[in-house]
Amino acid sequence: GQNIDQPTEMTATEGAIVQINCTYQTSGFNGLFWYQQHAGEAPTFLSYNVLDGLEEKGRFSSFLSRSKGYSYLLLKELQMKDSASYLCAVTDSNYQLIWGAGTKLIIKP
Amino acid sequence: GAVVSQHPSWVICKSGTSVKIECRSLDFQATTMFWYRQFPKQSLMLMATSNEGSKATYEQGVEKDKFLINHASLTLSTLTVTSAHPEDSSFYICSVRGLGGDTGELFFGEGSRLTVL
Repeated sequence: GQNIDQPTEMTATEGAIVQINCTYQTSGFNGLFWYQQHAGEAPTFLSYNVLDGLEEKGRFSSFLSRSKGYSYLLLKELQMKDSASYLCAVTDSNYQLIWGAGTKLIIKP
Repeated sequence: GAVVSQHPSWVICKSGTSVKIECRSLDFQATTMFWYRQFPKQSLMLMATSNEGSKATYEQGVEKDKFLINHASLTLSTLTVTSAHPEDSSFYICSVRGLGGDTGELFFGEGSRLTVL
């Protein structure tokens, strides 16, 4: 079956760095997305990786290793507003989007 | 990116009634829209793929007669929850896929929170 694993919850301190991991087992691979979802709101797009390596976008970076079925989202200079759930999603060989359960990130002052 | 709008944002209804949720793509002609449902502390679950001018494609386990989808134009898809029951209470979100075809990012509406009493 298809599966995406990410930690359920993480806690970090304002101003620090946090890395949220995502591992996947899917039938084929056509890209990996990271979305941010604040409580009670719809997800918003953060990043897209289809090739191995690191994609940097401001305070957020996303890394992909296709051979390992692994990705991480790196958040730097954490701010209180970064408290949210972070969803990892993979597009499989049929271009279906498979969603992880999300990682709830709690930022403490 | 695409701008997607949903209405209503919140709806409370009595058990047995029907509720319609609208999803509009404001600046993008979407032949396909996706309807998701999200229960508290759970991930997004794809309910159905709405196809303009044809029948929607439902995911396994989703009752097509209960969740009626109409995609009559390139900018509007509607989801009607018929004979709603308390277990249908959930966060319903629509989305469209942006430029990039099957690998394009999804743009989500604001979501509609349904509470069935």
